[in-house]
Amino acid sequence: NAGVTQTPKFQVLKTGQSMTLQCAQDMNHEYMSWYRQDPGMGLRLIHYSVGAGITDQGEVPNGYNVSRSTTEDFPLRLLSAAPSQTSVYFCASSYWTGPVSGANVLTFGAGSRLTVL
Amino acid sequence: AQTVTQSQPEMSVQEAETVTLSCTYDTSESDYYLFWYKQPPSRQMILVIRQEAYKQQNATENRFSVNFQKAAKSFSLKISDSQLGDAAMYFCAYRSSGGADGLTFGKGTHLIIQP
Repeated sequence: NAGVTQTPKFQVLKTGQSMTLQCAQDMNHEYMSWYRQDPGMGLRLIHYSVGAGITDQGEVPNGYNVSRSTTEDFPLRLLSAAPSQTSVYFCASSYWTGPVSGANVLTFGAGSRLTVL
Repeated sequence: AQTVTQSQPEMSVQEAETVTLSCTYDTSESDYYLFWYKQPPSRQMILVIRQEAYKQQNATENRFSVNFQKAAKSFSLKISDSQLGDAAMYFCAYRSSGGADGLTFGKGTHLIIQP
């Protein structure tokens, strides 16, 4: 099993450019999410999805878009990159079992380091 | 909103000794889950241990154990017989019972193992 696969691992952008961070999982997890990690901080939730066609905002959604057309994929789009979006991005997934889904352990990807100049 | 606080930015321990990492949290919920994740220099997030709030018994995974004090909202991690491979950032995290809003993380504790 590949688990959660993120691409690219590293990316450098110029201010104003757009790009998409890819996330794919092969565990048939309904729940997928994106986090960002900044120096000296824990991970913070950007967006999440509990199934195909369903997405919602997390703690820090501004500047990011997501969509979920399949169970396997959950891409994160930066429409106009800003230096404040320089960070390490993690995708994570888990099973979704309704009201007690908090018990399900999140599996993380290896992270994508993004630098915006 | 829930908050998670790790008051020790950095801890150092001699190899083979025991170290305890502190974590406190704030929530108004009665049912939730707590986690410790390890992040080595490779940056991969690795689950160390999980605790269900409704269980009084403290979770244990080999050399790793927790001291869960629900009334005090405290969730510390004890690492016994520390090994060089334990050196990493350790993050305490909270997840509500519903789970949709994912994990709320503390800022982390950098654990150094002295040989």
